[in-house]
Order: sequence, then structure tokens, then C-alpha cells
Amino acid sequence: QSVLTQPPSASAASGQKVTISCSGSSSNIGKNYVSWYQQVAGTAPKLLIYDNSERPSEIPDRFSGSKSGTSATLNIAGLQAGDEADYYCAAWDGSLSIVLFGGGTKVTVL
Amino acid sequence: EVQLVESGGGLVQPGESLRLSCTASGFIFSKSFIHWVRQVPGKGLAWVSEINSDGTYKAYADSVRGRFSVSRDNAKNTVYLEMNSLRVDDTAMYFCARVNWSFSSIGVAETFDIWGQGALVTVSS
Repeated sequence: QSVLTQPPSASAASGQKVTISCSGSSSNIGKNYVSWYQQVAGTAPKLLIYDNSERPSEIPDRFSGSKSGTSATLNIAGLQAGDEADYYCAAWDGSLSIVLFGGGTKVTVL
Repeated sequence: EVQLVESGGGLVQPGESLRLSCTASGFIFSKSFIHWVRQVPGKGLAWVSEINSDGTYKAYADSVRGRFSVSRDNAKNTVYLEMNSLRVDDTAMYFCARVNWSFSSIGVAETFDIWGQGALVTVSS
């Protein structure tokens, strides 16, 4: 059972927007930065968002992240077939002194 | 090319040992923190262990502490994960990752920016 809670699945039609939530607590998301990772089936995770809302240069601006209080959100706009993947949030937990991952959200493009 | 490559995975019996290697190229390995993350087939990501740039700091998840040991050889650009007393529930894909860690008044940022392709460890009788 993950300490960071994500919905198990999310879906939207091609070209539409999907939003994934990540809920934590004051010891992790509430006090520290959140990162997001994309994992296409059979491949390694890939960094999508770091420091709550920053994107590596190779990540398109269709992907955006935000944080408010003890929750974080990943938005994927203009959904494409290639965006079908599992998405994970992560944050350092100061009480446990380890990084925590969310349980993952499977995104399906309808 | 910036990359991490894991090796050493395989099939072992419960109670046996295995050593994974994670070899880096394309970046300054000796200044990098390296973490191990595992993924049970069909499940999510779980942090396993970390080692700092010079090997003086190591940390482990509760589930592997006392059985797993992480080390590094900066001359070989390689981090190792020695896994002893393996159990069936250690069966997973093991990924190594470079982590950028920073601390400010706003909080801690731990970013896994480079991942290896993974090494599959199967523990079964």
C-alpha cells in the first residue's frame, strides 16, 4: 500500500485532457518537491516533471505539473496514443527519510 | 550517450544470493547519487536502496535491510547491489537510477533523471 495515493486508472479521448492526482501528507508532498514519471509497458520509467512543475527539455509542454498543499496533479493535454502508459508520482518523506512512489495510474486513450 | 546499464539478473532459489551491477556512461559518475528501485511484475515502483557519490552514505528499505548491500567502484563507473538470503517476494525487475538531490528552505527535491533498462530477478524453487 503506497503512502502516496493515485487513482488506478484514468482515460480520455484522443486530443482531450487527462488529469492525474497524487495525494500525500505533510511529511512528504506538503513539505517537499514532487516528481512524475512515465512508464510505457515493458520499458523503464522516464522523468516527466520535477520540482513540482518543471519539465526536462525533451518533454513536450503538453505535460504539466502542479502542487497545492499535500496534493499534486499531472495534466496531459492533447492526449495521443503514445501517451498510453503508467504514471507515477514521487516525493521525499521527511518522517521516513526515504523517497515514496505513488501506486501508479494507468492512462488509456479512448 | 548518457545511460545506465544493469546486469546480473537471473533465476535463483530461495536463500541464495545474487549481485546486480549498474554501469554508467556519458556523465560524471563519481559525483552522482545512485538508487535502486524495484518493480514486481504488474505492480508499482518501490524504492530499495541508495548510495551517495563517494560511498560513505548508504540506505535501505526496511524490507531488504540486513539482506541487501549496496556499494560502488567509481574507477569502474559501477554500483553494485549484493542480494543475500533472497526470498520469493524479492522477485522483481530491479532498476538503477541516477538521482539529483537538493535541499532548500522549501523542501527536499529528489529527482530520478536517468534510469537503466532493468534487470529481472526471479526467486523460485
